[in-house]
Amino acid sequence: GAVVSQHPSWVICKSGTSVKIECRSLDFQATTMFWYRQFPKQSLMLMATSNEGSKATYEQGVEKDKFLINHASLTLSTLTVTSAHPEDSSFYICSASWTETLIFFGQGTRLTVV
Amino acid sequence: AQTVTQSQPEMSVQEAETVTLSCTYDTSESDYYLFWYKQPPSRQMILVIRQEAYKQQNATENRFSVNFQKAAKSFSLKISDSQLGDAAMYFCAYRSAFSGGGADGLTFGKGTHLIIQP
Repeated sequence: GAVVSQHPSWVICKSGTSVKIECRSLDFQATTMFWYRQFPKQSLMLMATSNEGSKATYEQGVEKDKFLINHASLTLSTLTVTSAHPEDSSFYICSASWTETLIFFGQGTRLTVV
Repeated sequence: AQTVTQSQPEMSVQEAETVTLSCTYDTSESDYYLFWYKQPPSRQMILVIRQEAYKQQNATENRFSVNFQKAAKSFSLKISDSQLGDAAMYFCAYRSAFSGGGADGLTFGKGTHLIIQP
């Protein structure tokens, strides 16, 4: 079946540095991808919608200058956490829709900022 | 804005028994999609079952079935013959159908931790 691949699975970075997370749809072209954030023992919160060839749409309260999203092709979206701080430590998950009801998720990225 | 409520933070069931997980949602839209996702300790989100709001028939996938009550805005998940591998977090999710082409993300409930007792 369709697969969404996310890398890296985990990353540790120093406070103040930037980290890039990649999300690839391996079996289909995705004009829209989504980025979620999940704190420990909590639900997934939609951060932004990544649109191929245009600017991302951010949910209310999400800093677009901190979480840069680029959807350069129909199979790749990237999330860059800029000037990361310990409070940015979290689990980030991407997803892509094959149809309105077939939505596939990446494996997630555990980010730890020290 | 839509909201999804899962009122059971944790549920426990004996292996081979049946368990029902509750989900209610609030929306003013008439057309939408509902989902149940499973998140095991690996944290990979796995689709369990999906339901289109315009379909009156309840969706079924092997041991998993839903009770979709549109007027009551309720979407419960029934797991029959529970197995040890069913142990996970279960999230109920909502997606608007208005954007068309799948341009809306999912709104998730807070999840229910399902424990399977051997």
